[in-house]
This record gives sequence, structure tokens and C-alpha cells, in this order.
Amino acid sequence: QTVVTQEPSFSVSPGGTVTLTCGLSSGSVSTSYYPSWYQQTPGQAPRTLIYSTNTRSSGVPDRFSGSILGNKAALTITGAQADDESDYYCVLYMGSGIRVFGGGTKLTVL
Amino acid sequence: QVQLVESGGGVVQPGGSLRLSCAASGFTFSSYGMHWVRQAPGKGLEWVAFIRYDGSNKYYADSVKGRFTISRDNSKNTLYLQMNSLRAEDTAVYYCAKEIHGGNPDDWGQGTLVTVSS
Repeated sequence: QTVVTQEPSFSVSPGGTVTLTCGLSSGSVSTSYYPSWYQQTPGQAPRTLIYSTNTRSSGVPDRFSGSILGNKAALTITGAQADDESDYYCVLYMGSGIRVFGGGTKLTVL
Repeated sequence: QVQLVESGGGVVQPGGSLRLSCAASGFTFSSYGMHWVRQAPGKGLEWVAFIRYDGSNKYYADSVKGRFTISRDNSKNTLYLQMNSLRAEDTAVYYCAKEIHGGNPDDWGQGTLVTVSS
């Protein structure tokens, strides 16, 4: 069973840049996995940030960008703000209609 | 704008059944595949099931295969999740979500809470 891996937690200073990653327990992530990224604050539904690796969802500021870095999908936040403090999830398309979410990264801005 | 409203959650005993609904508006429902995603209390997101725009194909996570059934009624713009043989570990907020290019979830509802407890 393939596991989608994310950093459990990360910290960034206000105004700083942070890159969160989304990998596989076995193998490399490519664009064929159509990685998407979501932001979620407590008690709220997820909000889509990025889909198909690097396309920003409507209304998402360009401080958020997606890419493939090495063998992982990546979400980069440039110029971090206090309200970026959230949980971030990635999801990968594993083929045959199956999607798998990563365990999520809790981002702290301090 | 896209609106997705889940309903049907509640408290059910282990081994029981429940049917969730997701009423869709603001887009051409019959043109989009739809997902169910759940989140157990204090835990991360877990993909549950996906149905193609016309209902022709359905896909499930291993954790629910054989117990849950996803379906849709395009004439009523409504998505369903029939949940049978419920277990304590099925306790979660269940979200419906519309697919986007590449097929992953995009627009999300606010969720409905399912609690499996005796």
C-alpha cells in the first residue's frame, strides 16, 4: 500500500518563504499524479490552492505556487502571512480512479 | 457560484446504515465527477469515493469498499453516499466535492458529521 508523505509540521517567519512537500513511500511523484494542494483551518472545509501540479485555483494569491521538486510535489508559500497558519494537505491520483491524501502539514507562522 | 450542501449525518449504532446526500447548485452537475472525502475528529483528510459525471464508473477507498456505495441523480443535482455496516472508525465529517481538471476534489461542501457509537 503506497503512502503519501508530508512533513507533519513546519514553521516559517512572517514574510519568509516555505516549501512543503508531498512524496511517495515508494517511487517518485510526477505530473501524472495530478497533485493538488489544500489549505484547512480548524472547523472549516478545505480550500483548494493548487491543482494539476501548478495551477492556482480561482482567487488564490500568487504567493502560493506548486511544482515538482526532485521526486516530490511541492507547495511554496512566498511572503508568509499570519493567516497562512493552517493545515496543508496534498492529494495524488494513483490511477484506476483512486486518490490518496497525504497526512497533512501543520504550518506555524511565527 | 458553486454550492454543495451535505445532509443526512447523525448518530448511528455500529453495524447500522446511513445515507448522505449532497445537493449541488451553481454549475452543470451532470458534467462533473464528484467525490466524497471524510475527516475523522482531529485527523487528516481521507478520500472515500468518486463517481464519474454520468455515473458510469465508481471508485472506492479500500477502507470502505463493499460497505459504501456512491451514486448520483443528475435530474435532481444530488450526490449520495449509502453507508452500510458502519464501524466506529467511520466516525468523521463527510465532505462532498466537485472535481476539477485532473479529477481531484476542488469545490467543497461544509460537511456533515457521522458518529458511529452505541
